Amino acid sequence: GIQVEQSPPDLILQEGANSTLRCNFSDSVNNLQWFHQNPWGQLINLFYIPSGTKQNGRLSATTVATERYSLLYISSSQTTDSGVYFCAVGQAGTALIFGKGTTLSVSS
Amino acid sequence: DSGVTQTPKHLITATGQRVTLRCSPRSGDLSVYWYQQSLDQGLQFLIQYYNGEERAKGNILERFSAQQFPDLHSELNLSSLELGDSALYFCASSVDSRERFFGPGTRLTVL
Repeated sequence: GIQVEQSPPDLILQEGANSTLRCNFSDSVNNLQWFHQNPWGQLINLFYIPSGTKQNGRLSATTVATERYSLLYISSSQTTDSGVYFCAVGQAGTALIFGKGTTLSVSS
Repeated sequence: DSGVTQTPKHLITATGQRVTLRCSPRSGDLSVYWYQQSLDQGLQFLIQYYNGEERAKGNILERFSAQQFPDLHSELNLSSLELGDSALYFCASSVDSRERFFGPGTRLTVL
């Protein structure tokens, strides 16, 4: 099956810093999503981005499908950005496979 | 709010018992997916239903079963519970098997 690797596993930032999270996957996919799991356990959709670039406020994401990776950029981080960021991928009609996540801690 | 609802939010039960978790998908979504999140296994896909029929199976134990009803809500039944079944159980839905939206989860504790 498809392997999903996320890096770094842990990230500690001061408020206001920028960061880049990476997701590598082992096969071609036509579904890629980024999620934020907040400290209460909720999985929040950030981006549906099987290819291309999208931006939403301080967050943006880029997926280069031909090279099998995706990047999530967080700018001007805030304490509310803390939590675990998951990348999940899938092929047509199949289940999403999740990476192990990047745990982000933002301190004030 | 994703539009996917799950009940109950928390469930505490004893080993050997049976529980039922309920999920209502977003309006118009025909696909429902169940996932289990445990500390050691991460987020694991259990099973998918599409318009009442089982579509795909993942790492679902034989003690677990699910169904999707004509009104499209879904239930996940967990029986002969073991300590290791303690986890966060998520339901997700999608309209076209692409973007998935997750519910808030049910936190199951087996004592």
